[in-house]
Amino acid sequence: DQQVKQNSPSLSVQEGRISILNCDYTNSMFDYFLWYKKYPAEGPTFLISISSIKDKNEDGRFTVFLNKSAKHLSLHIVPSQPGDSAVYFCAVQTGANNLFFGTGTRLTVIP
Amino acid sequence: KAGVTQTPRYLIKTRGQQVTLSCSPISGHRSVSWYQQTPGQGLQFLFEYFSETQRNKGNFPGRFSGRQFSNSRSEMNVSTLELGDSALYLCASSFEDSIGEQYFGPGTRLTVT
Repeated sequence: DQQVKQNSPSLSVQEGRISILNCDYTNSMFDYFLWYKKYPAEGPTFLISISSIKDKNEDGRFTVFLNKSAKHLSLHIVPSQPGDSAVYFCAVQTGANNLFFGTGTRLTVIP
Repeated sequence: KAGVTQTPRYLIKTRGQQVTLSCSPISGHRSVSWYQQTPGQGLQFLFEYFSETQRNKGNFPGRFSGRQFSNSRSEMNVSTLELGDSALYLCASSFEDSIGEQYFGPGTRLTVT
């Protein structure tokens, strides 16, 4: 029973363009959402987060949008760079240090 | 400050055996969580330890267990290994009440043959 779904396993984007990664969740009671990035042979690294009281959070080239009515989360990367090529996981926090992750989207930024 | 370390990095075991994985958190972090990553299921939460006590547990069978020591180091044990246990096992540490921002180790790649 996947509580967090990333329906696109992969995404390819030209360098300099916008990358949009999507995530859907099932439980409207979730109140904290996160994005992690993972390179091969490394553990995931925290990227950006948003609480349910907001609908947008921005950090440099990364912006996360939350649509609570649609139970949808998205990550925008502008402009995309080749170094952004990685697997991106969305996650929800359901309790103290308890994260549910999606299955990930592999982003490839083409130079 | 040193990151989260996990040992061993790679492990090959046979069905029916047991295995113990180790995780050393970032200095000062008291919470350690364990995750299993497989291609089809993504990252799945196993359990979380804080002050030597299991605080949260995911939906995994009792063959998966863990413990935490007084220095916050943690071990995870899997008994009676099955082929489906082949995965990347990730450990993450965080401060006591941090919201979301966990720091992950590089993982232990377990292969069960």
